[in-house]
Amino acid sequence: SQQGEEDPQALSIQEGENATMNCSYKTSINNLQWYRQNSGRGLVHLILIRSNEREKHSGRLRVTLDTSKKSSSLLITASRAADTASYFCATDAVQGAQKLVFGQGTRLTINP
Amino acid sequence: SAVISQKPSRDICQRGTSLTIQCQVDSQVTMMFWYRQQPGQSLTLIATANQGSEATYESGFVIDKFPISRPNLTFSTLTVSNMSPEDSSIYLCSVEIQGDEQYFGPGTRLTVT
Repeated sequence: SQQGEEDPQALSIQEGENATMNCSYKTSINNLQWYRQNSGRGLVHLILIRSNEREKHSGRLRVTLDTSKKSSSLLITASRAADTASYFCATDAVQGAQKLVFGQGTRLTINP
Repeated sequence: SAVISQKPSRDICQRGTSLTIQCQVDSQVTMMFWYRQQPGQSLTLIATANQGSEATYESGFVIDKFPISRPNLTFSTLTVSNMSPEDSSIYLCSVEIQGDEQYFGPGTRLTVT
């Protein structure tokens, strides 16, 4: 069964606005990773946040992690049309096993 | 990061046949994985490809259906055997490098008719 639940399933915003996607998971984790997938192609690694971290930044991306609530959020600031894609969170739910369990994903559409 | 390539990028196959997908990495990696993404769905781990030993399969996936080879630290193959339309999916390999980060290949889009 899937570890993660992502919210919302779909998000449509205007270019320049900020986009926030949320991910919840069920078990203790070592880390959580966010990926982008364009039109059913390969996954692009965006950012990894470890269980002892609360926030990480990479360019226009900001990821938070709340282990007490078993949730994470991905914020994309100043969105661009090229950000249109599906975004997935993935957790390694079993310590040392290095297996990723993926959420269902959020389909983000940026309208020009 | 790593440069990961997959062959073929896509294929259309008839039911009952088999397809072997190749995954090549530009550096030696310990951990390689194979995932399946069914249409409109998220990714599901098929197996961990172990170098020099049999792959470790996840629940619901068996070696007879998805045999995997890992002859060295830069290459792996996944075979989808005796295909049916339900096997139509994107198949992706991934590698773990730089600690816990996993990087994915471009995927192989398989359509079974």
